[in-house]
Amino acid sequence: DTAVSQTPKYLVTQMGNDKSIKCEQNLGHDTMYWYKQDSKKFLKIMFSYNNKELIINETVPNRFSPKSPDKAHLNLHINSLELGDSAVYFCASSRSEQYFGPGTRLTVT
Amino acid sequence: AQSVAQPEDQVNVAEGNPLTVKCTYSVSGNPYLFWYVQYPNRGLQFLLKYITGDNLVKGSYGFEAEFNKSQTSFHLKKPSALVSDSALYFCAVRASSLTGGGNKLTFGTGTQLKVEL
Repeated sequence: DTAVSQTPKYLVTQMGNDKSIKCEQNLGHDTMYWYKQDSKKFLKIMFSYNNKELIINETVPNRFSPKSPDKAHLNLHINSLELGDSAVYFCASSRSEQYFGPGTRLTVT
Repeated sequence: AQSVAQPEDQVNVAEGNPLTVKCTYSVSGNPYLFWYVQYPNRGLQFLLKYITGDNLVKGSYGFEAEFNKSQTSFHLKKPSALVSDSALYFCAVRASSLTGGGNKLTFGTGTQLKVEL
């Protein structure tokens, strides 16, 4: 059974479009996260939710909006996509250590 | 602000030899320290953590790490490297106190480990 799953795995889209990435965890964790990994493999936290409440909101453009319908899901919606948004986005969940999803490779053309 | 430094972009080691991947950290209060591994086109996998207790922590796949408070280090080690250990390794830190950064985990820049025959 997959602990943290993300869809889609790959996402290719044009500048200006709006897209969403979905994340689900079946570990019963209260806390979920979104990370961005750039082309140099730098990993940076974007958002964190605890029991559907936003607790970490790093300096991220307003075009990025997380939504947590319940504590097992944390989706990421991105408006007006830009070339610089191209990256791999990872979802994670935790109680102590964090468990990561397989990533969504977003390519903006 | 908390931070992690991984001074080596790449570490090369021959199979069967011991390996060390270095990590130093900075955080307010007591640290929680973690090592993760990332294989190509995969998510990060948890290897081991230090929360409290013994300074030597044992984790998955034969890896271990030593917490050194005076040197603010948490180096990852393995007595005998395997070619299959070749991957990208990340050290991470967070404050133990919820008022010191909450659940925010700060990652190092990663060290590429290459184990050759």
